[in-house]
Amino acid sequence: KNEVEQSPQNLTAQEGEFITINCSYSVGISALHWLQQHPGGGIVSLFMLSSGKKKHGRLIATINIQEKHSSLHITASHPRDSAVYICAVSTTGNQFYFGTGTSLTVIP
Amino acid sequence: ETGVTQTPRHLVMGMTNKKSLKCEQHLGHNAMYWYKQSAKKPLELMFVYNFKEQTENNSVPSRFSPECPNSSHLFLHLHTLQPEDSALYLCASSQEGTPQETQYFGPGTRLLVL
Repeated sequence: KNEVEQSPQNLTAQEGEFITINCSYSVGISALHWLQQHPGGGIVSLFMLSSGKKKHGRLIATINIQEKHSSLHITASHPRDSAVYICAVSTTGNQFYFGTGTSLTVIP
Repeated sequence: ETGVTQTPRHLVMGMTNKKSLKCEQHLGHNAMYWYKQSAKKPLELMFVYNFKEQTENNSVPSRFSPECPNSSHLFLHLHTLQPEDSALYLCASSQEGTPQETQYFGPGTRLLVL
């Protein structure tokens, strides 16, 4: 069983819809990261958080440390949001664990 | 543009070839990382370099040999690879190499081993 589990694995949404991607983890963490990977491979770091909530434009990330759960929300989704979203956690022992990613397709 | 470049972007090699992947970061960071991303699998951390010293080697086979001549450059030397080594190899960098930092990724090198 992977230390980081994401759901759903695949998601198709209509442009404008509100999207939620979930991440659960089973290890003690020092930080949780949300990454975006576009076709072609390049990865961009979206958020790093260890508590509470962060917002950047139409993206919102929340984390519940007690429940070992994080969510990534996209408001007013757009076709350019189509990408793979990866949840990753880093531990105090400098270990990194990655989810398998959620493939998002936003249809115009 | 994340400030991390990788060359080549695509590479096809036979099992007896020797090739090298190059990563360069223009961010003034002190830590650099090699990751492997295989289809349908999570990212796997391969190596970590902090101030040019290797601090992490996650049981990577010896056919992968990293080299970090300075804080801005990282190489991955490849020799006698296997077809199952075909994957996307991603380089990343961060300021100090601590778990609480944001890592900046390069575009990756897509490797096919025949």
